[in-house]
Amino acid sequence: IAGITQAPTSQILAAGRRMTLRCTQDMRHNAMYWYRQDLGLGLRLIHYSNTAGTTGKGEVPDGYSVSRANTDDFPLTLASAVPSQTSVYFCASSDGGRGDDEQFFGPGTRLTVL
Amino acid sequence: GQNIDQPTEMTATEGAIVQINCTYQTSGFNGLFWYQQHAGEAPTFLSYNVLDGLEEKGRFSSFLSRSKGYSYLLLKELQMKDSASYLCAVRDGDYKLSFGAGTTVTVRA
Repeated sequence: IAGITQAPTSQILAAGRRMTLRCTQDMRHNAMYWYRQDLGLGLRLIHYSNTAGTTGKGEVPDGYSVSRANTDDFPLTLASAVPSQTSVYFCASSDGGRGDDEQFFGPGTRLTVL
Repeated sequence: GQNIDQPTEMTATEGAIVQINCTYQTSGFNGLFWYQQHAGEAPTFLSYNVLDGLEEKGRFSSFLSRSKGYSYLLLKELQMKDSASYLCAVRDGDYKLSFGAGTTVTVRA
């Protein structure tokens, strides 16, 4: 059982380029999330999806977009990358059906925008 | 917005006890989580509190006081492998998680 996977593991990207970070889970979880983690700021929610076909904005959505065409996949797209988007990106998923449902995190993507 | 505070760093000796405090002010409350994150790795779930009181799980315990907006994570019988960051996270009224910046615990021999 893989759980939740992310690709790529790391990427160096030129400013202005378009980039899609991939996230796939095999736990049949309803809810999925994208966070960015920056030193001293902790994890901040970018976008989320409570169920396939729906998405919502988190705390820091500007410059990012997501889609949720099916239960398993939740890609995050940077339409035109900027250096301030240099960060570690974590995808997470949860069952979404119970109050105490924990979020399971993927291994992360380290993105550097130059 | 959400405001979640926890100390930046703590150091303790192997075999000792460390208590990591977390205070929060959030729009609504639907539970408090603690996660552990080793350097370069993903966060992993440690504990969940939604009612006041203490939850014990082996060497780790977590306490919650909703009226005070306060929680702590207690790590007992510290081991070297407990060196990590510990993240306090609050689920708000919209069922989204807000995280504190994390507390880096260093365990020394």
